[in-house]
Amino acid sequence: GNSVTQMEGPVTLSEEAFLTINCTYTATGYPSLFWYVQYPGEGLQLLLKATKADDKGSNKGFEATYRKETTSFHLEKGSVQVSDSAVYFCALRDTGGFKTIFGAGTRLFVKA
Amino acid sequence: GAGVSQSPSNKVTEKGKDVELRCDPISGHTALYWYRQSLGQGLEFLIYFQGNSAPDKSGLPSDRFSAERTGGSVSTLTIQRTQQEDSAVYLCASSSEVNQPQHFGDGTRLSIL
Repeated sequence: GNSVTQMEGPVTLSEEAFLTINCTYTATGYPSLFWYVQYPGEGLQLLLKATKADDKGSNKGFEATYRKETTSFHLEKGSVQVSDSAVYFCALRDTGGFKTIFGAGTRLFVKA
Repeated sequence: GAGVSQSPSNKVTEKGKDVELRCDPISGHTALYWYRQSLGQGLEFLIYFQGNSAPDKSGLPSDRFSAERTGGSVSTLTIQRTQQEDSAVYLCASSSEVNQPQHFGDGTRLSIL
């Protein structure tokens, strides 16, 4: 079945450091891929998405590229801020499907 | 309101009691989803509604769980004879159509004593 695997946290970085959160997936066909973010005390929010191979999703300085050859959708940001501290979830949805499969989440702490 | 609204935000109840969790989706969104997030875990899909019908109930953990949606809007997730393992955050999401990004509510934190 479909699944999403993302790196275990927590990830602790200093402000302005480079961030990578790895995400790989297993799916048939051509799923859509997503990153969601959950800030402390808030609900899940869509951060970015990519719907086909080689697409790059970007938002708020975060980027992720849909790599079909490596079945990956790694999240990156060049310079993190304290306000980026949150839990990040990688997710996929089957082509034409409705069920979104989420990874376990990666907690990010950014120190000033 | 502008977003998905869930109530109550917190619920503490004794084992064996029934609970009802409510979700008000974004106005006009036809698709509605329920998820469960247990401590330290990812999101577990429970059920999906397209309009008032639920094509897939396979994610419901047991027959103690049920959900309904009336008028293509508000949805209620009911858990009967609650058990301690039901303790989790229950999240609701809606989307304008099934293939569009989901917008999440803040969740209901359910604690079973």
